[in-house]
Amino acid sequence: EPEVTQTPSHQVTQMGQEVILRCVPISNHLYFYWYRQILGQKVEFLVSFYNNEISEKSEIFDDQFSVERPDGSNFTLKIRSTKLEDSAMYFCASGQGNNQPQHFGDGTRLSIL
Amino acid sequence: AQTVTQSQPEMSVQEAETVTLSCTYDTSENNYYLFWYKQPPSRQMILVIRQEAYKQQNATENRFSVNFQKAAKSFSLKISDSQLGDTAMYFCAFMNPPYGQNFVFGPGTRLSVLP
Repeated sequence: EPEVTQTPSHQVTQMGQEVILRCVPISNHLYFYWYRQILGQKVEFLVSFYNNEISEKSEIFDDQFSVERPDGSNFTLKIRSTKLEDSAMYFCASGQGNNQPQHFGDGTRLSIL
Repeated sequence: AQTVTQSQPEMSVQEAETVTLSCTYDTSENNYYLFWYKQPPSRQMILVIRQEAYKQQNATENRFSVNFQKAAKSFSLKISDSQLGDTAMYFCAFMNPPYGQNFVFGPGTRLSVLP
C-alpha cells in the first residue's frame, strides 16, 4: 500500500537556524497538509496545499513558515528562523480531497536547542 | 470555531474485553465528516474509521464501530475483543468541508490493553 514518507525522522537544530522538513505524499493525491504535535498536546493543523498553492492555513502558520512543492514529488515545510517553541512532531499528510481521509507520514521530530 | 473534546485522557482495558472511547464536538454546520485515528508508539497516524454526518447508519470496520449521535454531537469509538496491538493514542478528528479539507483533532485518549 502506498505511504506518505517523511525525512528526516529526527532533526536537531540550533535556535535561529532555518530548517526544512521533507515529505513525499502519495502519488495520486491532490491535497497536502502539515500538522504539528507539541509533546503531550493534540495534533494541530498548520497548512494545506492544493493546486500548487496554499488553500488554508492556521494562525500558527505565520511568516516564519513556508511550504513548497518544488518538483511535483516532494512537499516541504520550511521554518525560517526556528524558536524553542517550534520543537514538536511535524506530520505530513496527503489526501484525494472530496472529504476523503488523509494519510499521514511517520512524522519528523524537530528539536530546537 | 469547531472544537473536538475527548474527555478521557487515559483508559485501560483487559485483552479480549470491549472498550468505548468518547468524543464530542461543537459545530453549527450540518454536513461534516468524523474520523478516528490511532497513533501507536511507533507514532504513525493510522485511520481507524470514518463517518459521514449525513449517514444515520453507524460505521463499522471489523472490531471497531462508532456510536454517532448527531443531535448530541457525540462520536464514540467502540473496540470489541481488544488486542494488545490496540494499545495507542486515539484521536477523534473533525472535517468541515465548507471551511476546508483540514482536520480539527481532539486531545487524544491513551488506551492501554492489558494482558
